[in-house]
Amino acid sequence: AQTVTQSQPEMSVQEAETVTLSCTYDTSENNYYLFWYKQPPSRQMILVIRQEAYKQQNATENRFSVNFQKAAKSFSLKISDSQLGDTAMYFCAFMKHKDGGTSYGKLTFGQGTILTVHP
Amino acid sequence: DSGVTQTPKHLITATGQRVTLRCSPRSGDLSVYWYQQSLDQGLQFLIHYYNGEERAKGNILERFSAQQFPDLHSELNLSSLELGDSALYFCASSVRTGWNTGELFFGEGSRLTVL
Repeated sequence: AQTVTQSQPEMSVQEAETVTLSCTYDTSENNYYLFWYKQPPSRQMILVIRQEAYKQQNATENRFSVNFQKAAKSFSLKISDSQLGDTAMYFCAFMKHKDGGTSYGKLTFGQGTILTVHP
Repeated sequence: DSGVTQTPKHLITATGQRVTLRCSPRSGDLSVYWYQQSLDQGLQFLIHYYNGEERAKGNILERFSAQQFPDLHSELNLSSLELGDSALYFCASSVRTGWNTGELFFGEGSRLTVL
């Protein structure tokens, strides 16, 4: 079974500054995906960024980037130039790669980190 | 807007009752997933349907059941409700051919309160 751990229950940052959210995971799988999802007060789960484990290059989406360390099983999210709209709960999540379909689409989530961006 | 529609958005009911939550996936998506978000358990995978067939089960209680209909919408049935069933229930869908992305598209959730 996979586990995902987010050790920071809450984080805060000033607008326009940079913040990094931590995530570690445990798995015996070699092929998998890692995700960061954002859940604002509206409750909607929004995909922020996705990383495929077989790719060494770290994923980047505009102001969001990850530091993926496969050997260390670490997957942190860096938010640059933080904006007030980034205030939300952030979840790190793990998904096994397609393996015949039995667990495909099953996301294992961490406990979440509440991020508050201050003006 | 993810394209996934869930109804109702809010539901308040009493212990021992039965409720049905409905999900319409994005147009063209054949897979539907149900997740539960509670304060105690966090976000947990419940069940996965693909084109009407159950594909995977997670931590879903025996009091809960789901199905996916020929028009691909899905329903999650929760019966003999207990206080601890109070949670946000999410439905998600995924593209039928884009498996290499792994991306799921979530609805806005149904907030269930059991009194």
